[in-house]
Amino acid sequence: DVKVTQSSRYLVKRTGEKVFLECVQDMDHENMFWYRQDPGLGLRLIYFSYDVKMKEKGDIPEGYSVSREKKERFSLILESASTNQTSMYLCASSSREGRGTQYFGPGTRLLVL
Amino acid sequence: GQNIDQPTEMTATEGAIVQINCTYQTSGFNGLFWYQQHAGEAPTFLSYNVLDGLEEKGRFSSFLSRSKGYSYLLLKELQMKDSASYLCAVREQGNNRLAFGKGNQVVVIP
Repeated sequence: DVKVTQSSRYLVKRTGEKVFLECVQDMDHENMFWYRQDPGLGLRLIYFSYDVKMKEKGDIPEGYSVSREKKERFSLILESASTNQTSMYLCASSSREGRGTQYFGPGTRLLVL
Repeated sequence: GQNIDQPTEMTATEGAIVQINCTYQTSGFNGLFWYQQHAGEAPTFLSYNVLDGLEEKGRFSSFLSRSKGYSYLLLKELQMKDSASYLCAVREQGNNRLAFGKGNQVVVIP
């Protein structure tokens, strides 16, 4: 049974703060993804990683960075949080082999004041 | 790039059947996924199609026509717990990314 966990379900931060969102998966998946989800806009890909130390920009990378030092862990960093980064953040992982089904963590609802 | 289109909302009665459509345009197709997402929760995987035809899994079935760039998810014997958003996602050839539609909100009423 695939398990993807995220460090926080709810987070409140102030404008300008550095924010770390952590994601851990226990299925030895090569691929990991960070999305944000906003009403009316759907799921949008921020960054993804195909392997340790590798990262690629998604569709909306501006204002974000990522880190993948270990296979099971993928971190999303907001260098200087802004109010327009208030959103639901979802992490997902998938295997390089087979269908590529993505399995999601429970999400982190971030509010930037 | 990819363009995925889903209707935004529909209401159906408990016990009924509902069909949720998804059309897509992609430069190279390598599979279509359906996910269910309850309010405030993460998407969960429902079904996968890569060849034309119908895939049945209990009360849920999914259909794909690659030539038409079209899929639907069929929910039978609707239950109140089926009230959720249903997301269509397409995988392109040559990469592991999924492009998601905006989701179709299904509201089940008694």
